[in-house]
Amino acid sequence: DAGVTQSPTHLIKTRGQHVTLRCSPISGHKSVSWYQQVLGQGPQFIFQYYEKEERGRGNFPDRFSARQFPNYSSELNVNALLLGDSALYLCASSLDLYNEQFFGPGTRLTVL
Amino acid sequence: TQLLEQSPQFLSIQEGENLTVYCNSSSVFSSLQWYRQEPGEGPVLLVTVVTGGEVKKLKRLTFQFGDARKDSSLHITAAQPGDTGLYLCAGALGGSGTYKYIFGTGTRLKVLA
Repeated sequence: DAGVTQSPTHLIKTRGQHVTLRCSPISGHKSVSWYQQVLGQGPQFIFQYYEKEERGRGNFPDRFSARQFPNYSSELNVNALLLGDSALYLCASSLDLYNEQFFGPGTRLTVL
Repeated sequence: TQLLEQSPQFLSIQEGENLTVYCNSSSVFSSLQWYRQEPGEGPVLLVTVVTGGEVKKLKRLTFQFGDARKDSSLHITAAQPGDTGLYLCAGALGGSGTYKYIFGTGTRLKVLA
């Protein structure tokens, strides 16, 4: 069975640009969460979506937004990129809001 | 601000030694997960503990959830080089239709052959 998939694997952008990251959950999972992991730290929660609705939001600026599609896949958008946005962006899926999360391999974003 | 503090941050031990990693918070969690992460990859789920006082074993790994559901520990017996990695605990906070995970600061373990 396929696990959580994310695209792209790596991405290089310059300051001020916009980026869209994509995530496909495990088949049957209805919840997707996004995390930012800066080198040397644990993941920081950005958003959780369940049944296409936002159900949780971390302490990130409005430049970060996300959505979940009818097939439960998700996109994370970041506008006006800053150098500090360089990180590994992780997507996790779960059956619903209260089940354990399974992570994808991440998208490595570098902002120059 | 909810925080999960892990200790130690770094640990370098010889193959065959035992070790314990701690995860502490002032928050009460509905569940707690332990993950292991390799460089450049996503965290891989090791275990979920839900009930206060719960103990789970996964081969040489023993996980315990504190009675008050605020803390947890991971004990590895006879560590092997393959145990090397970043160990993360994550607590689940939720209720009333909203939910989020708080990740610990991580423990970077290196087991020397």
